[in-house]
Amino acid sequence: DQQVKQNSPSLSVQEGRISILNCDYTNSMFDYFLWYKKYPAEGPTFLISISSIKDKNEDGRFTVFLNKSAKHLSLHIVPSQPGDSAVYFCAASRSSNTGKLIFGQGTTLQVKP
Amino acid sequence: DVKVTQSSRYLVKRTGEKVFLECVQDMDHENMFWYRQDPGLGLRLIYFSYDVKMKEKGDIPEGYSVSREKKERFSLILESASTNQTSMYLCASSGSGTGGETQYFGPGTRLLVL
Repeated sequence: DQQVKQNSPSLSVQEGRISILNCDYTNSMFDYFLWYKKYPAEGPTFLISISSIKDKNEDGRFTVFLNKSAKHLSLHIVPSQPGDSAVYFCAASRSSNTGKLIFGQGTTLQVKP
Repeated sequence: DVKVTQSSRYLVKRTGEKVFLECVQDMDHENMFWYRQDPGLGLRLIYFSYDVKMKEKGDIPEGYSVSREKKERFSLILESASTNQTSMYLCASSGSGTGGETQYFGPGTRLLVL
């Protein structure tokens, strides 16, 4: 049972435009959400996170939106840059779970110059 | 900066061999994790440990075991490697807490089992 889903395997955008990556979850007990970025042959690196008490968190070009009623979160990258081309994973956790994260399948973002 | 290191970047083993993957973190983190990453499947948790000598099964523990004798080191063991264990293996660590702790990943080990 996939509790965290990224339904778009890939996304292609033009440099300078907005990239929107989506993530859905099924477990209403999740209360913390994270986005990771992964380049080929490297480990994932933490990008941005959001607690369930918020609906938006912004860090430079990256903004994460959380819609708890829809059990949906999204990552916005504005403006997109070629260096943003990578695989993006969303992840979710429950406070009671010793830091265990549940990851989505990942979305490969390609930003074209 | 948090640093998580893994003993090998690339590894080629034969079916039936015993394989050891080592992970070391330098941030005094309580929690350590082993994942495998396969195309279209994301990161799947194999085992995790929230303290020395403690371990818990993740979502896909079959065919694997782990060892945590020291806080900074978490080893993944493939008792008898099989071709379906060809994958990218990722180790991560995080601080203690009741969740919401960011995990920091190592560079990964790409394992090929022939």
